[in-house]
Amino acid sequence: DAGVTQSPTHLIKTRGQQVTLRCSPKSGHDTVSWYQQALGQGPQFIFQYYEEEERQRGNFPDRFSGHQFPNYSSELNVNALLLGDSALYLCASSSNSGRKETQYFGPGTRLLVL
Amino acid sequence: DAKTTQPPSMDCAEGRAANLPCNHSTISGNEYVYWYRQIHSQGPQYIIHGLKNNETNEMASLIITEDRKSSTLILPHATLRDTAVYYCIVSANYGGATNKLIFGTGTLLAVQP
Repeated sequence: DAGVTQSPTHLIKTRGQQVTLRCSPKSGHDTVSWYQQALGQGPQFIFQYYEEEERQRGNFPDRFSGHQFPNYSSELNVNALLLGDSALYLCASSSNSGRKETQYFGPGTRLLVL
Repeated sequence: DAKTTQPPSMDCAEGRAANLPCNHSTISGNEYVYWYRQIHSQGPQYIIHGLKNNETNEMASLIITEDRKSSTLILPHATLRDTAVYYCIVSANYGGATNKLIFGTGTLLAVQP
C-alpha cells in the first residue's frame, strides 16, 4: 500500500516564476492538506481540499492556490515566487470518514527560490 | 498560534524510556491530542492520538491527564533512530473530517548512546 507521494523532490526557481507541486494521497484517502515548512520552524497549514473544493485555508496570500482532481490527487501552485517562499512543502492526506482518522504526510518537495 | 507548550529539547539514554511532556491548558472538549515526529528533512510521521483515554500502539503510549490539560508521550525503549523533533498538537476532528494541524516548534529529542 503506497503512502503519500509528492513530486518533484527538489526544485529550484527564480523570483517571479510560477511553480506547481503535486501530491498523490494514501490509498483510500479523499482529503489533501498542504503545509509549508521554513527552515527551523514547524509546518504551517496552507489549505485543505475535499471533494475538489478548498475546505479550509490558512493565512497565506492568493499567490498560493490549489486544485484537487477526481482521483483525489492534488496540486499546489505558487505564482510570483518570492525568496521567502523557499521552504519544504508538505502534503498530507486523510479520510473524511471515521472518528480515529488522522493526517499522513508525504516526504515533501524542497523548493529553493533564487 | 500553537495551542501547546513543549520543552525545546530533551536528552534520553538509549534503551531507556523517553517521556515527552506537553501542556495544552486551553484544549476544548472536541479537540484531540496528536503526536507527530519529524526526522531531519523528512515529512512528519504520525505517532499516536487520543481524546481523553490513554492510548497505546506499537510505537508509543499517550497518557492524558484527567483534566486533559496536559499529556505525556512515552517511547518505552528509545533507540538512536528515535532522535527527532516531536510535535504535540491539539486539533478538532469533526465526525471524521480532519481539521488543520497547527504545529509549534516541538521538542528536539536527542537519544544518547
